[in-house]
Amino acid sequence: GQNIDQPTEMTATEGAIVQINCTYQTSGFNGLFWYQQHAGEAPTFLSYNVLDGLEEKGRFSSFLSRSKGYSYLLLKELQMKDSASYLCAVLDSNYQLIWGAGTKLIIKP
Amino acid sequence: IAGITQAPTSQILAAGRRMTLRCTQDMRHNAMYWYRQDLGLGLRLIHYSNTAGTTGKGEVPDGYSVSRANTDDFPLTLASAVPSQTSVYFCASSDSSGVYNEQFFGPGTRLTVL
Repeated sequence: GQNIDQPTEMTATEGAIVQINCTYQTSGFNGLFWYQQHAGEAPTFLSYNVLDGLEEKGRFSSFLSRSKGYSYLLLKELQMKDSASYLCAVLDSNYQLIWGAGTKLIIKP
Repeated sequence: IAGITQAPTSQILAAGRRMTLRCTQDMRHNAMYWYRQDLGLGLRLIHYSNTAGTTGKGEVPDGYSVSRANTDDFPLTLASAVPSQTSVYFCASSDSSGVYNEQFFGPGTRLTVL
């Protein structure tokens, strides 16, 4: 079967750095996406990785290791508005997105 | 219209009733998707359409049907609603159905079946 694992919930302090991990086992791999979803809202795109390594975009960075089936999302200089759920999704061999259940990130002042 | 719209925003429905959730996009995207999102579970694909005139089944298609008569609209129909279909439904679209298909989501429809 296909499986994507992420921690259910994490807590961090405003101004700090947090790393959200994602491990996956899927039938094929055509890229990994991270989305942000604020409570009661739609998911919005954050990043896409298809090659191993780190992709940096402002305060957010995403890392991929295909051999380990592993990715992480790194959020720096945390702000209160970063309180949200972060969804990891893998594009499988049929070009369908397989989604993790999401990690709820709580930012404390 | 800008992006993707969904209607209704929320709905309470009696079991056994028929219901159509509407989805319209103005980005001229080829591919469209319907997901349901339940607490503790990831988004699950119900049906998809890679281009107007074609549709396909996702992970959880039973009890749902879709049509894609044109590029912009992708309605989802529950023929006879059951309580297990209580969920938040998201419609999404992407420019292509292949690699790097960043998906854009509508605001969602919160459906309660009693």
